[in-house]
Amino acid sequence: ETGVTQTPRHLVMGMTNKKSLKCEQHLGHNAMYWYKQSAKKPLELMFVYNFKEQTENNSVPSRFSPECPNSSHLFLHLHTLQPEDSALYLCASSQDLAENTEAFFGQGTRLTVV
Amino acid sequence: GQNIDQPTEMTATEGAIVQINCTYQTSGFNGLFWYQQHAGEAPTFLSYNVLDGLEEKGRFSSFLSRSKGYSYLLLKELQMKDSASYLCAVMDSNYQLIWGAGTKLIIKP
Repeated sequence: ETGVTQTPRHLVMGMTNKKSLKCEQHLGHNAMYWYKQSAKKPLELMFVYNFKEQTENNSVPSRFSPECPNSSHLFLHLHTLQPEDSALYLCASSQDLAENTEAFFGQGTRLTVV
Repeated sequence: GQNIDQPTEMTATEGAIVQINCTYQTSGFNGLFWYQQHAGEAPTFLSYNVLDGLEEKGRFSSFLSRSKGYSYLLLKELQMKDSASYLCAVMDSNYQLIWGAGTKLIIKP
């Protein structure tokens, strides 16, 4: 248990569906992240929020839409996804964006797009 | 471009020592992290190096040479539970983590 909780753990969705991934942390951290992890590939940073403000959007397609209503919660809204979007989506949080700031990860949502 | 290289897979024997290497080329450097990730689980923090040299933490040690763009993670007295993927990540000048693809470590009895 890392203090970062993601739901659901597994999700299967069709290409026309709309779904949302949820991430929650009660570590008092100010920064939250969405990562995509595909097999045998490096973690891909998707979005970064610091004090609820989005600071990074690494050329992520618009079919992925993040939302950060407060410093403890982060959502990733999904719509009209493609099969190549199937991956493990990891949420992480850290105290802030400075150096020597350890990131705490949730266990991820295993997403399958059919 | 930014790049982190580490071996895809390594095999070692229980009770032995293994060294996992990581080389990097990044825009700036604000430290190097090692994470452990068991299959189906979250990555968990192992170590952080920002100055050259060796950081020891129990059975695990991590080394950094900034001039060579090189780090290694040393695992001693290997146990079966050490079977996992080990992820190397460098924090660049924008305080973003650049990740390697991970090294899958297989421990055999």
